[in-house]
Amino acid sequence: QVQLQQSGAELTKPGSSVKISCKASGYTFTSYDISWIKQRPGQALEWIGAINPGSGGTGYNEKFKGKATLTVDKSSSTAFMQLSSLTPEDTAVYYCARSNFYYDGTSYGYYFDYWGQGVMVTVSS
Amino acid sequence: NTVMTQSPTSMFISVGDRVTMNCKASQNVGTNVDWYQQKTGQSPKLLIYGASNRYTGVPDRFTGSGSGTDFTLTISNMQAEDLAVYYCLQYNYNSNTFGAGTKLELK
Repeated sequence: QVQLQQSGAELTKPGSSVKISCKASGYTFTSYDISWIKQRPGQALEWIGAINPGSGGTGYNEKFKGKATLTVDKSSSTAFMQLSSLTPEDTAVYYCARSNFYYDGTSYGYYFDYWGQGVMVTVSS
Repeated sequence: NTVMTQSPTSMFISVGDRVTMNCKASQNVGTNVDWYQQKTGQSPKLLIYGASNRYTGVPDRFTGSGSGTDFTLTISNMQAEDLAVYYCLQYNYNSNTFGAGTKLELK
């Protein structure tokens, strides 16, 4: 069965960086993009960006360029997101999600069909 | 970026109610809209993709409709297990945006 297993909670200081992981299993890792989504406490979801594990190609929400860096390790079927220059506004749960593309005969579509359990990142001095 | 405006922000409902919530896009997004359900303390789950396609295993009381700028998610016979926050998402490569969510609460 498809699973995305994320790393554990992080407590970090302002100005530092953190790297969280998302280990995929149950499918061919290089066949699907992985997206990352941010959710601040009690707030809505924000799409950060996505990576194609096969090519390493990335796409980012303009808001997160310079903040988030997405990478993968194909040998371990793991996606990573590094967040830099952390501030209290980066305190949030971060999810990874598998991005599934489809074609319905007339147009292409896209959805997040499997999600990780989320990683709580807390930035506090 | 395309802004997705969801309404209402919250709804107080009873089991058995018919529930309708809306999502309005700031520009034409065709049928590039998905709906997700997030229960307290859980990861979001996909309900509807491509505006109107029910995802595998989703009960048929959930129906999505719309195209262009106006989209609707309907729950035809509200169940207690449907209490959650519902988010719409519009997707264009490198420009995916979620709505702010509609929270369903019991009366």
